[in-house]
Amino acid sequence: GEDVEQSLFLSVREGDSSVINCTYTDSSSTYLYWYKQEPGAGLQLLTYIFSNMDMKQDQRLTVLLNKKDKHLSLRIADTQTGDSAIYFCAPVRGGGGNKLTFGTGTQLKVEL
Amino acid sequence: GAVVSQHPSWVICKSGTSVKIECRSLDFQATTMFWYRQFPKQSLMLMATSNEGSKATYEQGVEKDKFLINHASLTLSTLTVTSAHPEDSSFYICSARPRGKTGWHEKLFFGSGTQLSVL
Repeated sequence: GEDVEQSLFLSVREGDSSVINCTYTDSSSTYLYWYKQEPGAGLQLLTYIFSNMDMKQDQRLTVLLNKKDKHLSLRIADTQTGDSAIYFCAPVRGGGGNKLTFGTGTQLKVEL
Repeated sequence: GAVVSQHPSWVICKSGTSVKIECRSLDFQATTMFWYRQFPKQSLMLMATSNEGSKATYEQGVEKDKFLINHASLTLSTLTVTSAHPEDSSFYICSARPRGKTGWHEKLFFGSGTQLSVL
């Protein structure tokens, strides 16, 4: 099965940029998603990128994909306290089944 | 926007009892719903895929007799944890895929989760 790894914790100051990294093992992943989870809540889709893209920008969010290294990153510009949450990357598993495999999640803490 | 309602949001029960969790798509029809569990500070683990009108498909290692899934309508899937034990305590989350959306560039919509505590 696919392994998806993320750093567990990231702390940034308000106004700075945050970069959350993700590595995965299944090179046949077709879509790669980023989700946000606030305490005690479900997941909110933030953005996604197709595997044939290198970069996608969506307002304050920039997703970079290095398919060769199987590395995905999410950059949040001008990070706000409301961005404090857990962020999960989730590649769609290749080989059929169209199932999401969630990373371990990165706890982002934004400090004043 | 599409809303998935999950109920209850929090339940405490005694060991040996059964608990039912509901997942409803409020403003769309969902042919497929997914059930996940999440342990503290860990990722979501897919438990099963629920298709309307057919039996659920369980992931390896998930006991289908322990976690009963029913997807009787296009807007409702239920997960019943039978004879719950303390090790079943976890955060359970459902997600729903709108009917007619089969490509993965389409969004999945998640419920807000259910925290189950078994005493």
